[in-house]
Amino acid sequence: KQEVTQIPAALSVPEGENLVLNCSFTDSAIYNLQWFRQDPGKGLTSLLLIQSSQREQTSGRLNASLDKSSGRSTLYIAASQPGDSATYLCAVRGSNYKLTFGKGTLLTVNP
Amino acid sequence: DAGITQSPRHKVTETGTPVTLRCHQTENHRYMYWYRQDPGHGLRLIHYSYGVKDTDKGEVSDGYSVSRSKTEDFLLTLESATSSQTSVYFCAISESRGDRGGDEQFFGPGTRLTVL
Repeated sequence: KQEVTQIPAALSVPEGENLVLNCSFTDSAIYNLQWFRQDPGKGLTSLLLIQSSQREQTSGRLNASLDKSSGRSTLYIAASQPGDSATYLCAVRGSNYKLTFGKGTLLTVNP
Repeated sequence: DAGITQSPRHKVTETGTPVTLRCHQTENHRYMYWYRQDPGHGLRLIHYSYGVKDTDKGEVSDGYSVSRSKTEDFLLTLESATSSQTSVYFCAISESRGDRGGDEQFFGPGTRLTVL
């Protein structure tokens, strides 16, 4: 059974800092990995999708990497802003179109 | 934003009553999913659909049923609601682009259900 772990569970940083969120998964036989953002009381917003054959994806200040063989992904956020404050979730997709989610990292960026 | 709506957005009901949640999409995506989100458990898949009238169970399907009679609608039914089904329910959609692993999931705004 696939298990996804996100470390740290919570992170507080000053504005402008670069930061890294970590995601690890136990079964390396994944099709893709997706990073989401969730604001309090809201739905999930897809940030980045990395295919199993890719090493990284970039969108603006966000960069996600994938090392499938070691079961790890990182989400790098450059020059963090207070508007980046949210819970960040990673999820991996197996062969049956199902996503398995981590429990998320709660990020707070202080002005 | 992906065209996904959920109704109702909030519902309070009593134990033992039937409840149906609706997910509607305007993207014509083939795959639709129902998740529940609970503190300490994260998001867990309840049921999913890979086409009209084609559905399968997720990891927490007990007490739930689903139906999909049209591409755009995916219904989640709690036949007899229990307090343990108090949760936030999210619908999601995806479409395979033909390339292996190409499907990105998009989520609806959620339905907050309280069972008293």
